[in-house]
Amino acid sequence: GNSVTQMEGPVTLSEEAFLTINCTYTATGYPSLFWYVQYPGEGLQLLLKATKADDKGSNKGFEATYRKETTSFHLEKGSVQVSDSAVYFCALINYGQNFVFGPGTRLSVLP
Amino acid sequence: EADIYQTPRYLVIGTGKKITLECSQTMGHDKMYWYQQDPGMELHLIHYSYGVNSTEKGDLSSESTVSRIRTEHFPLTLESARPSHTSQYLCASSEAGRIDNSPLHFGNGTRLTVT
Repeated sequence: GNSVTQMEGPVTLSEEAFLTINCTYTATGYPSLFWYVQYPGEGLQLLLKATKADDKGSNKGFEATYRKETTSFHLEKGSVQVSDSAVYFCALINYGQNFVFGPGTRLSVLP
Repeated sequence: EADIYQTPRYLVIGTGKKITLECSQTMGHDKMYWYQQDPGMELHLIHYSYGVNSTEKGDLSSESTVSRIRTEHFPLTLESARPSHTSQYLCASSEAGRIDNSPLHFGNGTRLTVT
């Protein structure tokens, strides 16, 4: 079946540090890949997505590249801010199936 | 700006009470979902719907029930609440059909506490 694995948190960084949150997946065929973000007290929001191999999704300074050869979709940001503190979820969807989410990674950014 | 609305945001209720969590979306999406989110953050799909009069159970067994009488409305009901039902419940929707890379749109959730 399909599955998503994320690096365990919490991740604690200082403001302006470089961020990487690893995500790897197992799936048949050609899934679409997503990163969602959940701020405290809110639902999940779409951060970025990629629908085919070598696609790069980007939004708000965050980037992730769909790497089929390594089945990965790592999230990166060059300089994090305190406002980026949230829980980040990697997810995939395959044709005709429901979304599969990773367990989430909590990020805390200290001023 | 939310196009999917959940009410109430917070609910504290006693054991044995019947409750309904409301979810409405204004995007005309056919597919709707209910997720249960535990304190460890992980999301569990408990119900989903492909459209009006369609309901399916998700991956996590739940004592709740759902209905889909109108496209925009997907309420979740617990006939007799128990402390084990204490959790955050998230509603979501997406376009259906062949657009399978269409993202989920989430509401802000209902945090339920059963005492």
